[in-house]
Amino acid sequence: AQSVTQPDIHITVSEGASLELRCNYSYGATPYLFWYVQSPGQGLQLLLKYFSGDTLVQGIKGFEAEFKRSQSSFNLRKPSVHWSDAAEYFCAVGARAAGNKLTFGGGTRVLVKP
Amino acid sequence: NAGVTQTPKFQVLKTGQSMTLQCAQDMNHEYMSWYRQDPGMGLRLIHYSVGAGITDQGEVPNGYNVSRSTTEDFPLRLLSAAPSQTSVYFCASSPTSPIGGYTFGSGTRLTVV
Repeated sequence: AQSVTQPDIHITVSEGASLELRCNYSYGATPYLFWYVQSPGQGLQLLLKYFSGDTLVQGIKGFEAEFKRSQSSFNLRKPSVHWSDAAEYFCAVGARAAGNKLTFGGGTRVLVKP
Repeated sequence: NAGVTQTPKFQVLKTGQSMTLQCAQDMNHEYMSWYRQDPGMGLRLIHYSVGAGITDQGEVPNGYNVSRSTTEDFPLRLLSAAPSQTSVYFCASSPTSPIGGYTFGSGTRLTVV
């Protein structure tokens, strides 16, 4: 069965500083990988997704993520954080062999200090 | 564009009561899902539908029913509410599969007392 771990429950970062959120997955074959963001009181919004090809994926709002097969990781990064990036971020994994259903990680809440 | 619309936004139920959470999408998406979100546990799949007339169970289906009579609507029914069903519920849709990326509703916060 597929699984996703987000080791950091909370991260606090200063505005303008860089941000990296960790995501580790468990799945035997090449998975489909996603990052979603949830602003307070809102539903989730897709930031980016990885299916195959270039392991560095660009998303919306200036985010990027890198797929590293050897480390079973798909970490999300942003070079310079804005106050509006304060939100909860979810990594998810899916696979055709699992009926395309997504499994979500527990989430990482990001706080941005002025 | 309305996207995915969930009603109500907030609800308080007494133990044993039943209710229906509504979900409607106007994007002609075939695939729809219901998730519950609990602190530290991410989102867990309750039920999903690959098209009108077809539904299936997800990871945590007990205590919930769904139906899909039209492409647009995918209501979630709580048969006899329990405090363990206190959660935030999200409906999501996708054109054909969640692999393509979901559009989420804004959620329903349910408290069972």
